[in-house]
Amino acid sequence: ETGVTQTPRHLVMGMTNKKSLKCEQHLGHNAMYWYKQSAKKPLELMFVYNFKEQTENNSVPSRFSPECPNSSHLFLHLHTLQPEDSALYLCASSLGQIDSPLHFGNGTRLTVT
Amino acid sequence: GESVGLHLPTLSVQEGDNSIINCAYSNSASDYFIWYKQESGKGPQFIIDIRSNMDKRQGQRVTVLLNKTVKHLSLQIAATQPGDSAVYFCAENRGAGTASKLTFGTGTRLQVTL
Repeated sequence: ETGVTQTPRHLVMGMTNKKSLKCEQHLGHNAMYWYKQSAKKPLELMFVYNFKEQTENNSVPSRFSPECPNSSHLFLHLHTLQPEDSALYLCASSLGQIDSPLHFGNGTRLTVT
Repeated sequence: GESVGLHLPTLSVQEGDNSIINCAYSNSASDYFIWYKQESGKGPQFIIDIRSNMDKRQGQRVTVLLNKTVKHLSLQIAATQPGDSAVYFCAENRGAGTASKLTFGTGTRLQVTL
């Protein structure tokens, strides 16, 4: 196990649905991240939280809404998504230092129909 | 523009041989680099990292080399095994502030043949 747990592993939703992705880390880290992985594209950073404060929003559309209630939990709320939002959404955590590696979960495979 | 990229999309290596995966980066201000391995159905797994004040770092069967002069990073895997088959990503940290902000390359698929 990676120490970073993501649920659900797979999600299929219509464009009018509202759903949430959940991430939990058991590593005692202070920073949490959302990345998007599409086919044939590099991993794209979406959001960064450090000590529960959002420190990065990488020009992500407002139909993606993150929430970080504490340093161990991270959510990504989804609403009125588009088919091109179908991707693997990866959560990661780190110690929050500039030279600390990210530890990833196994992702949620999202399909928007 | 600034980018992290990989030279070869697919690398085929015979079991037991050494593998070398290359990565070019363009931001001379990047000071921390990481290699990740991603197997099918899993998230990226940390392999090894290196800071810009070093030019070589070794782990178990893996070595990372950093050449800042030509902005080149490589991952060497000794005695490649079937379990090494995966996609390998290099990533650089250009972030300022307190948290890592990694920028990833497109990845190289390593295929190990028997």
